[in-house]
This record gives sequence, C-alpha cells and structure tokens, in this order.
Amino acid sequence: EAQVTQNPRYLITVTGKKLTVTCSQNMNHEYMSWYRQDPGLGLRQIYYSMNVEVTDKGDVPEGYKVSRKEKRNFPLILESPSPNQTSLYFCASSFQRNYGYTFGSGTRLTVV
Amino acid sequence: GIQVEQSPPDLILQEGANSTLRCNFSDSVNNLQWFHQNPWGQLINLFYIPSGTKQNGRLSATTVATERYSLLYISSSQTTDSGVYFCAVETETSYDKVIFGPGTSLSVIP
Repeated sequence: EAQVTQNPRYLITVTGKKLTVTCSQNMNHEYMSWYRQDPGLGLRQIYYSMNVEVTDKGDVPEGYKVSRKEKRNFPLILESPSPNQTSLYFCASSFQRNYGYTFGSGTRLTVV
Repeated sequence: GIQVEQSPPDLILQEGANSTLRCNFSDSVNNLQWFHQNPWGQLINLFYIPSGTKQNGRLSATTVATERYSLLYISSSQTTDSGVYFCAVETETSYDKVIFGPGTSLSVIP
C-alpha cells in the first residue's frame, strides 16, 4: 500500500532531550516536507526536500533539523526540544513539486 | 509573502445540502491543492488543481488562476464530510514552499 509512515504517533518528552520523528514513504517520491499544526495558526512548513541531499527551510525552521540521506526517509530532529514545540506534526511527500501531497498520519508531540 | 484566505471559516450543513468553499490567494500560483482533515486529524488530498475544473464523486473543484481564487463544491453532503478543508498553494516566488490557508471547518448534521 502506498503510504507515508510517521513514527511515533504520540510522544511526551522533557525539555532538552533530543528526539527524532521518523518519516518514510514507499512511493519513490522526490519531494518531502514537514509541517506543524497549531490551533489558530494552521499548518506551517518547517523544512522541505526536493531530493536526496537537498533540503531547505520552510517558514518555521528554528529549533529543527532534517536530513535526506535516502529518497524514502526524511527524519525531523529536535536537538533540544522546548515547550513551544508542542504541536501536531505532519510529514508529506509528492512525486515532484507540482504534484499532490500524500500526508502521514501525524505525530502529536508534547514537550514538558 | 502570499496571503491565502478561506471562506467561510465555519459552516454547518444539514445532511444532503450542497456547499461551496472558497480559497482566495494574493499572488499567481504554480500549484493549488485542496485537503480534507477528518475529525481524527488525518489529512487527505482531494484535488491537485492549479487551474481548470476537476470532479471526484460528490466533490468538484474549480480554480480560476487569473482571478486568484479556487472553489470547492460539496454536493449532497454526508456526515463523513465533516472536518476542516484546507487549500494550499505554491507560487512562483515562494521557492517551493507550500502555504496553507486557515481552513474552513465543516460540520454536517444528520
């Protein structure tokens, strides 16, 4: 089944403890992206990647890192999480930049 | 940067009614998508429609790129249509960033 898989679905962590949210797609998509969704602020793009080893900042990249060493994987790294990074995170992929997105199921992160 | 507006912000429909959701954008777009976020939070791509009209069952979408708006039509609404509908755009000047509108929250009641 064609899909974007995010893990974990839920995560509660403490301030400053490094964490990684994984994202993997099995559709050979070139374009991948991370979003966070917050009440009243909607969906905001964190980082995106046009292809392997090509990543760029979205609108809210501060406090996040990404890597794209393989086409299928696009992990989101929080080196030192803070409470303002508590949010619902979505990974998305598309065949190319001008094709429709497929979203993962989301990761609800709480930083205390 | 580009401004994306959606209207109405909230909508309540009786099951079986029709509705039109609107997305306005302030710049020329290369790419426009409509999504549905269901009550469980899952985001589903409905249409990729930078211009023209597309239909998929009870849903259809029209984008008039020259006038900078897109419309999503829902006919014979069902309770499973409830959720939030987002449009998302990429412009010539947004350098591959995809910007989401604030969404329209739809509740379909039996």
